[in-house]
Amino acid sequence: QKEVEQDPGPLSVPEGAIVSLNCTYSNSAFQYFMWYRQYSRKGPELLMYTYSSGNKEDGRFTAQVDKSSKYISLFIRDSQPSDSATYLCAMSDTGFQKLVFGTGTRLLVSP
Amino acid sequence: ETGVTQTPRHLVMGMTNKKSLKCEQHLGHNAMYWYKQSAKKPLELMFVYNFKEQTENNSVPSRFSPECPNSSHLFLHLHTLQPEDSALYLCASSQEGIGGPLFFGSGTQLSVL
Repeated sequence: QKEVEQDPGPLSVPEGAIVSLNCTYSNSAFQYFMWYRQYSRKGPELLMYTYSSGNKEDGRFTAQVDKSSKYISLFIRDSQPSDSATYLCAMSDTGFQKLVFGTGTRLLVSP
Repeated sequence: ETGVTQTPRHLVMGMTNKKSLKCEQHLGHNAMYWYKQSAKKPLELMFVYNFKEQTENNSVPSRFSPECPNSSHLFLHLHTLQPEDSALYLCASSQEGIGGPLFFGSGTQLSVL
């Protein structure tokens, strides 16, 4: 079993849709949870960061962590074509230096 | 120049060549990283440097040799690579310790023939 599981997609949605991206994990010691966005031919950029459980909102993006289910989600409201990218979840038990990444979900938002 | 800059952006090399990847960060960070990104695989951490000292070597083959002369520069020296080493090599930086989030460069797309 992989330490972090993420559906590779692609996930295709129309502009304006609500997008839900998810990761499951097996290591109950993880307490730092991140979402990165990676555009084609670019490096990943940090979108959201959550410590332990709970929700965090930033504009159109909401990150949720459910440690009891070992499940994290990223919601994108009012999706835009510019949101088309690969979204990587990442997590760690010791901070940012030893992140375990998912394989990434490719999102396509059509106008 | 801002952020994390990697050169070259693309590299094609034969299995007997020796080449180097370069990374420079302008963020005032003191930790630097090399990651490998292969198609349909998660990012793999290769090396971590804190204050120029290597603190992590994730069982990387010796044909990959990192060098960190100061907190702003990181190199990855390559020699006698294999075709399966073809991948996107990403450099990142952060504050040391738990510190803060990783900032990535755009990567070097490496093809080994």
